[in-house]
Amino acid sequence: DGGITQSPKYLFRKEGQNVTLSCEQNLNHDAMYWYRQDPGQGLRLIYYSQIVNDFQKGDIAEGYSVSREKKESFPLTVTSAQKNPTAFYLCASSIIGGQGGQPQHFGDGTRLSIL
Amino acid sequence: AQTVTQSQPEMSVQEAETVTLSCTYDTSESNYYLFWYKQPPSRQMILVIRQEAYKQQNATENRFSVNFQKAAKSFSLKISDSQLGDTAMYFCAFVPNRDDKIIFGKGTRLHILP
Repeated sequence: DGGITQSPKYLFRKEGQNVTLSCEQNLNHDAMYWYRQDPGQGLRLIYYSQIVNDFQKGDIAEGYSVSREKKESFPLTVTSAQKNPTAFYLCASSIIGGQGGQPQHFGDGTRLSIL
Repeated sequence: AQTVTQSQPEMSVQEAETVTLSCTYDTSESNYYLFWYKQPPSRQMILVIRQEAYKQQNATENRFSVNFQKAAKSFSLKISDSQLGDTAMYFCAFVPNRDDKIIFGKGTRLHILP
């Protein structure tokens, strides 16, 4: 079955440590996205990519980095510069083109906590 | 700035009742797309319904339907014959035409009571 796989499901970060969240999709979607979700908040866009080897900052990119070396993969690194990383992270993908407004498909998320 | 507002942070209804979740948005675009997503306790985001702004007819998906009022910039979700499995966080979302970034509201937590 096609879908989006995020791993790990739970992740713990020590102070000063970088951690990487994995996101893989086999839907052949061009665009991929990373969102952060905090309690009582909607989803906030961290980074997105519409094509391999290219990505753009979203609304809250500070303290995060991404890469898009393959169409299927869009890993997110939470760096030590992100002082409040505890949150639920969701990866999504979508088709690009046509008339626009294509729905995004989501993974099951990764919960990141500080040790 | 384009925004999406969900004015009901939390709601509870009895099983089998009908419930309506409110959503308003602000945009200067003439064509755009609107979505409702459901996030159950499992935290997976599931697309419930999609509406294209240039279509006057309200979208429906089984027990889920929308009341799209373009002039009022309102996009409410109606759930008929609510079921326990409808318990979830519901997010209203907006996408300007030919853009791929979604703007989400802050969500409405819906409890279906037995």
